[in-house]
Amino acid sequence: DTAVSQTPKYLVTQMGNDKSIKCEQNLGHDTMYWYKQDSKKFLKIMFSYNNKELIINETVPNRFSPKSPDKAHLNLHINSLELGDSAVYFCASSHHMLNSDPDTQYFGPGTRLTVL
Amino acid sequence: QKEVEQNSGPLSVPEGAIASLNCTYSDRGSQSFFWYRQYSGKSPELIMSIYSNGDKEDGRFTAQLNKASQYVSLLIRDSQPSDSATYLCAVKRFSGGGADGLTFGKGTHLIIQP
Repeated sequence: DTAVSQTPKYLVTQMGNDKSIKCEQNLGHDTMYWYKQDSKKFLKIMFSYNNKELIINETVPNRFSPKSPDKAHLNLHINSLELGDSAVYFCASSHHMLNSDPDTQYFGPGTRLTVL
Repeated sequence: QKEVEQNSGPLSVPEGAIASLNCTYSDRGSQSFFWYRQYSGKSPELIMSIYSNGDKEDGRFTAQLNKASQYVSLLIRDSQPSDSATYLCAVKRFSGGGADGLTFGKGTHLIIQP
């Protein structure tokens, strides 16, 4: 299936731990994103990344860092997890080319992170 | 600061009626506008995108954009119980590329009553 996939689907961990969430897209897209959806369902951009630029939302703590081993992957690494990091994290991707909708973003299924 | 405002609802509409969802945005530089549908526990799914002033129709869905008023709306005709979901309005500053993400509103919870 062509899609945006994320692992794990659920992640439960203790405060202070370091964790990573993986994202892969097989859509041939050139731009990937990480969004955070909080307990009130507010969806907020964290990072945007393509092979030319990384855009970081200024409100994101530097404990969060995106890592992209190649165009199809954008992983999210979180250091020193805090209670407030509990949320659903969505990866998304898009492709900018002629003759298609260049701004449509396709979302992964989400990773529900719970910090205890 | 870029903001997107939506009425959180719930908006309750009888089955078969027209559901009207509204959204305003603060950044006059916004170029691309989207409506996503999100079922509980699922990821956002694109319903409509619109880039120019006026109406855009796709099946039972019509998106309307008025850049002068900084206003976007979504009409759902012949509402079905399966349309019950949270509808997220999203805007993007640059169209046609650029690695900037979407700015979302907090969503409107729509309930279609059988």
